Amino acid sequence: GESVGLHLPTLSVQEGDNSIINCAYSNSASDYFIWYKQESGKGPQFIIDIRSNMDKRQGQRVTVLLNKTVKHLSLQIAATQPGDSAVYFCAENSRNGNKLVFGAGTILRVKS
Amino acid sequence: NAGVTQTPKFQVLKTGQSMTLQCAQDMNHNSMYWYRQDPGMGLRLIYYSASEGTTDKGEVPNGYNVSRLNKREFSLRLESAAPSQTSVYFCASSEAGGIRPYEQYFGPGTRLTVT
Repeated sequence: GESVGLHLPTLSVQEGDNSIINCAYSNSASDYFIWYKQESGKGPQFIIDIRSNMDKRQGQRVTVLLNKTVKHLSLQIAATQPGDSAVYFCAENSRNGNKLVFGAGTILRVKS
Repeated sequence: NAGVTQTPKFQVLKTGQSMTLQCAQDMNHNSMYWYRQDPGMGLRLIYYSASEGTTDKGEVPNGYNVSRLNKREFSLRLESAAPSQTSVYFCASSEAGGIRPYEQYFGPGTRLTVT
C-alpha cells in the first residue's frame, strides 16, 4: 500500500506465512542499507544490513534483497510469528557524514 | 552494559516551558544522534555529534539545542516548548567502521507532550 498522510502501509499476514516488506530508497549513491524493527513503545532494533555490492543477504529467518536498478529494498521474513508484529524501517547511509536516512516504515501485523 | 539510556521516559510541558532530555551510552561510541518520531512517520534527525566536542544540525533542528557533554552523554534542550514539538524523541549512538559501519543503537525513547 501507499503511505498517505499519517497512515503507514500495513501488511497483515497469517502466522506461519512468509512476509515481504518493501522499501524504495532515494539516493543512488547510498552504499549501505539497514532494516530496523520497532516494537510498540520501544526504540528501533537492528535486524539485518546489506552493502550495495551485494544483491541478497540472509540472516536467521530474514533475507534482504537489494535491486539497485530500481532503488528497491525488500525484507523477507520466513514463517512469520506473532513476535514479528512491529513497525519495520529501512534506512540508507547518507553520504554526508556518518548518518542514516530512514523510510517512513511499514506495520506488520501477524494474525494467529 | 545498559546500551543507550534516556531520561525521562515521559514528560508533559506547557507551551513556553523549557526542559532538557538526557542521553547516555556505555559502548564507547564516538557518534551520537537525536531523532524525533511523529505518528505515522519515520525518524527525523534533529542534531548529531560525530565525535566529542562537535555537533551538527540534522533535518529538523529548529527549536532545539544540544550539548555533547563528554563522550558518553548527549543532551537535547527545548528552550521554549511548542505543541509542534509533541513527539517521541530517540537518542542513538554508533561507531564508524567495523563490520556494521552505520549501525545505530537506540535508546527506549522519551514521550513528550506539549500542551
